Amino acid sequence: QQQVKQSPQSLIVQKGGISIINCAYENTAFDYFPWYQQFPGKGPALLIAIRPDVSEKKEGRFTISFNKSAKQFSLHIMDSQPGDSATYFCAARSKAAGNKLTFGGGTRVLVKP
Amino acid sequence: DGGITQSPKYLFRKEGQNVTLSCEQNLNHDAMYWYRQDPGQGLRLIYYSQIVNDFQKGDIAEGYSVSREKKESFPLTVTSAQKNPTAFYLCASSTDRAKHYGYTFGSGTRLTVV
Repeated sequence: QQQVKQSPQSLIVQKGGISIINCAYENTAFDYFPWYQQFPGKGPALLIAIRPDVSEKKEGRFTISFNKSAKQFSLHIMDSQPGDSATYFCAARSKAAGNKLTFGGGTRVLVKP
Repeated sequence: DGGITQSPKYLFRKEGQNVTLSCEQNLNHDAMYWYRQDPGQGLRLIYYSQIVNDFQKGDIAEGYSVSREKKESFPLTVTSAQKNPTAFYLCASSTDRAKHYGYTFGSGTRLTVV
């Protein structure tokens, strides 16, 4: 079964700190790795995404690091702000699975002022 | 503005009653999906459809039904066979014709059994 394992389930960080969320996968057919941000009572929104031919992608304070050999990727939130408090989901796509995304279990991030 | 519209935002269901959740998109996306989210939990796939008049079961399809008669619409019916329907339901759509592949989600419907 295709799986994406996400950790930690929750984390608390002080304002200005770095939040790090990790994901691991087994299926080498995955070819696209997005991250979603979800605020309470809202639908998830695409935050940033990476393809496996790139080791790092940065957009503002958000950075994805990708390690193809280890089959791991991570989201770093630099200079974390209270407004970043949300649930974050990693995901992976396989064209062989009809372009469906397989989601990680989610990480609830709380940024304390 | 293009997007996905889910309605209603809140829905209450009596025991033994069928209810239908609406999902409409004007993004011209080919694929549409329904997910269930329980409090503090991840996203579980109920059904998905890659083209009109075709759909497949996801991981937790029992007690649910869907139809895809139009590209823009993918309604989800929660039947009386679903014993624990209280949850947050999310609809999403996608296309592989865009530069950046990814799902666009609606704002969700919160279903409560009363």
